[in-house]
Amino acid sequence: EAQVTQNPRYLITVTGKKLTVTCSQNMNHEYMSWYRQDPGLGLRQIYYSMNVEVTDKGDVPEGYKVSRKEKRNFPLILESPSPNQTSLYFCASRSDRGIFPEAFFGQGTRLTVV
Amino acid sequence: QKEVEQDPGPLSVPEGAIVSLNCTYSNSAFQYFMWYRQYSRKGPELLMYTYSSGNKEDGRFTAQVDKSSKYISLFIRDSQPSDSATYLCAMSEVRDDKIIFGKGTRLHILP
Repeated sequence: EAQVTQNPRYLITVTGKKLTVTCSQNMNHEYMSWYRQDPGLGLRQIYYSMNVEVTDKGDVPEGYKVSRKEKRNFPLILESPSPNQTSLYFCASRSDRGIFPEAFFGQGTRLTVV
Repeated sequence: QKEVEQDPGPLSVPEGAIVSLNCTYSNSAFQYFMWYRQYSRKGPELLMYTYSSGNKEDGRFTAQVDKSSKYISLFIRDSQPSDSATYLCAMSEVRDDKIIFGKGTRLHILP
């Protein structure tokens, strides 16, 4: 089954404690991205990657890091989480082939930073 | 002016009604127009897409794009309680470009 898998689904952590949210896709997609979704603000792109070893900032990159060492994986790293990073996070992937840019989303990670 | 504007709702309609969801946009270069549906505690899923102007129909769903007015719509006929979700419009300029999402409209279909 084609899917984007995020882990963990839920995470409560304390301010300053480094954490990583993993994302993996099994569709051999080139393009992967991370979004955060907040009430009243919608989906905002954090970082994206066009392919292995190619990453770039989205609209709200401050406080986040990413890496793309393998095509299927795109982890999101919070080196020193703060309460304003409490949010619902989504990883998405899409192919750079085909006629339409359909994005496939993971199930989401609800992060609470206290 | 934000690139994509979408009324957040919530919109509550009785079962069987026709639902109209809309977005306006400011960037005339957008060519790919999409509607994503997001159920509670799930990730968004692509529902329909269109390229450039015109209509597209898929079962009970119809997507319309009016590029002259910079306005897109999603119509749901014979609405069902299972249609209750948040609907996000989305757009991009070219196929490999960043997708810009609206903030989503929460829809409740009342049995």
